[in-house]
Amino acid sequence: GAGVSQSPSNKVTEKGKDVELRCDPISGHTALYWYRQSLGQGLEFLIYFQGNSAPDKSGLPSDRFSAERTGGSVSTLTIQRTQQEDSAVYLCASSRTGGISQPQHFGDGTRLSIL
Amino acid sequence: AQSVTQLGSHVSVSEGALVLLRCNYSSSVPPYLFWYVQYPNQGLQLLLKYTTGATLVKGINGFEAEFKKSETSFHLTKPSAHMSDAAEYFCAVSVDDYKLSFGAGTTVTVRA
Repeated sequence: GAGVSQSPSNKVTEKGKDVELRCDPISGHTALYWYRQSLGQGLEFLIYFQGNSAPDKSGLPSDRFSAERTGGSVSTLTIQRTQQEDSAVYLCASSRTGGISQPQHFGDGTRLSIL
Repeated sequence: AQSVTQLGSHVSVSEGALVLLRCNYSSSVPPYLFWYVQYPNQGLQLLLKYTTGATLVKGINGFEAEFKKSETSFHLTKPSAHMSDAAEYFCAVSVDDYKLSFGAGTTVTVRA
């Protein structure tokens, strides 16, 4: 498809397990963002990738969270030793280039539930 | 720090009535402002954005918003609500040239 693709759409896992969430941005988009949407905190910025520049990781809530972007395309968000407070919808977005003048296109998200 | 406040977590309107969603911003620099809509189990879709220039911004699906610097507001309106407008709406402000800081969201229900 032409949009941002995220997988899985739903993930249920036990507390303490590691999870990987995947994002396929729109082809040709150089900027990629991860956000988290939770009941208590609303929509929060997590991390930003732009081309070959060092990512802005300032929104990652703890060192259990990490993300990478391979080949300037697909991105994986990894959460280690999951906790119940990690339950949320994780949204990925991409834009043609970096900078706020470029609209961010969002995927449908991954709904993560920690038992 | 740049932030937005959305007034009212829930708004209920009759079909055909005016939709008004309120957003106030706090920014130390001229802001870029956005409205997004989220339908159930979907991601966010951009409705409209204000960067510079004309303060009345028209978006998709008949929505528009007006940037009022004196009131630090960016309220979203639609003259006539349709059932398909039932969704959650988020106001957002740019931070550091690429991040978005979102409001808490307003859920709109449309009564037949």
